Amino acid sequence: GQSLEQPSEVTAVEGAIVQINCTYQTSGFYGLSWYQQHDGGAPTFLSYNALDGLEETGRFSSFLSRSDSYGYLLLQELQMKDSASYFCAVRDMYGQNFVFGPGTRLSVLP
Amino acid sequence: NAGVTQTPKFQVLKTGQSMTLQCAQDMNHNSMYWYRQDPGMGLRLIYYSASEGTTDKGEVPNGYNVSRLNKREFSLRLESAAPSQTSVYFCASSDDMGDYEQYFGPGTRLTVT
Repeated sequence: GQSLEQPSEVTAVEGAIVQINCTYQTSGFYGLSWYQQHDGGAPTFLSYNALDGLEETGRFSSFLSRSDSYGYLLLQELQMKDSASYFCAVRDMYGQNFVFGPGTRLSVLP
Repeated sequence: NAGVTQTPKFQVLKTGQSMTLQCAQDMNHNSMYWYRQDPGMGLRLIYYSASEGTTDKGEVPNGYNVSRLNKREFSLRLESAAPSQTSVYFCASSDDMGDYEQYFGPGTRLTVT
């Protein structure tokens, strides 16, 4: 089976940098994805890591270390609109079942 | 291009009633999924359809049935609703099962009393 762990809440101020961690246990691994979900909204895709290292997309970056079963999402130059929940997700060994983490609620303060 | 659409947006059922949640996508995606999200939790996969004509159980399939009506449409049926099925239901699609990016619909908020 698969399980993922994330911090439940993170708080930061506008303009700051915040890191949201995700550790996972899987019977097979085919990549780590990150999704953003605003209150009352649908999840939207942010980034994906299949290989070790850092992927950068604008203010957001995602990192993966397969040997440590660990990844993180890095948000820079925080804005109020970044207040949302962030979920990491992995695909199982058959590549057919997505498993989502419990989510991290980010609050950005002025 | 509407993406993934779901109907209804809100629904209240009494215990034992049945209903079908509808989902459609216009992106010509092969794979479609149904998730439920309970308050403060992540999404859990109920059923998925890797391609037209196939469906498979996910993590929490009990109490649900699905139909992949055609490539565009994937419906979720609750035959006899229970209060434990109170949740927000999201439909999603992706190009293929191996695709790491899923596109989600706006969700259906279901309350069972």
